[in-house]
Amino acid sequence: NAGVTQTPKFQVLKTGQSMTLQCAQDMNHEYMSWYRQDPGMGLRLIHYSVGAGITDQGEVPNGYNVSRSTTEDFPLRLLSAAPSQTSVYFCASRPPGTARTEAFFGQGTRLTVV
Amino acid sequence: GENVEQHPSTLSVQEGDSAVIKCTYSDSASNYFPWYKQELGKRPQLIIDIRSNVGEKKDQRIAVTLNKTAKHFSLHITETQPEDSAVYFCAASNTNAGKSTFGDGTTLTVKP
Repeated sequence: NAGVTQTPKFQVLKTGQSMTLQCAQDMNHEYMSWYRQDPGMGLRLIHYSVGAGITDQGEVPNGYNVSRSTTEDFPLRLLSAAPSQTSVYFCASRPPGTARTEAFFGQGTRLTVV
Repeated sequence: GENVEQHPSTLSVQEGDSAVIKCTYSDSASNYFPWYKQELGKRPQLIIDIRSNVGEKKDQRIAVTLNKTAKHFSLHITETQPEDSAVYFCAASNTNAGKSTFGDGTTLTVKP
């Protein structure tokens, strides 16, 4: 199994550009999340989904959109990139309500907005 | 919503010593508490976890304790080794909800 796959691994954007970070998982996990990680600030939740067709906002949702049309995919869209969105982005998935609900993380996307 | 506080933010120990990292949470509905290790430039990976119906769990040199009444849980690493150097994150989640809340992380340095 591939687990959680994120693309791209690195990206440089100009201020005002838009782009989509891709996330796919092949573990049939219902729960998927997007986090951003800034130096010294841990993982902050952007958006999450409890299943296909259902999304909700996390702690820092402004400037980002998500959709969940399938169980496997959970793309994150930056509408108009700003330097404040320079960060490392992690997608994660986990199964609901089982004995072990650890989050499986993708390898991360390092985004720089100039 | 859930709020998780993690202390200390940095921790430096000599090889062979023990390290303890503490977290507190606010939401009594949280019932699953994993700990992740993140090496530089890598993704977080689970090292140990505990559910709310268990008070302590051990896996070789790593142990986690949970005090539900006080809403705090701790990670204990014994006989530390240089390869234990990394950032450690605690998290709190409700297994029936879609999100986990993470602490801000502890940078552990083990000096040889």
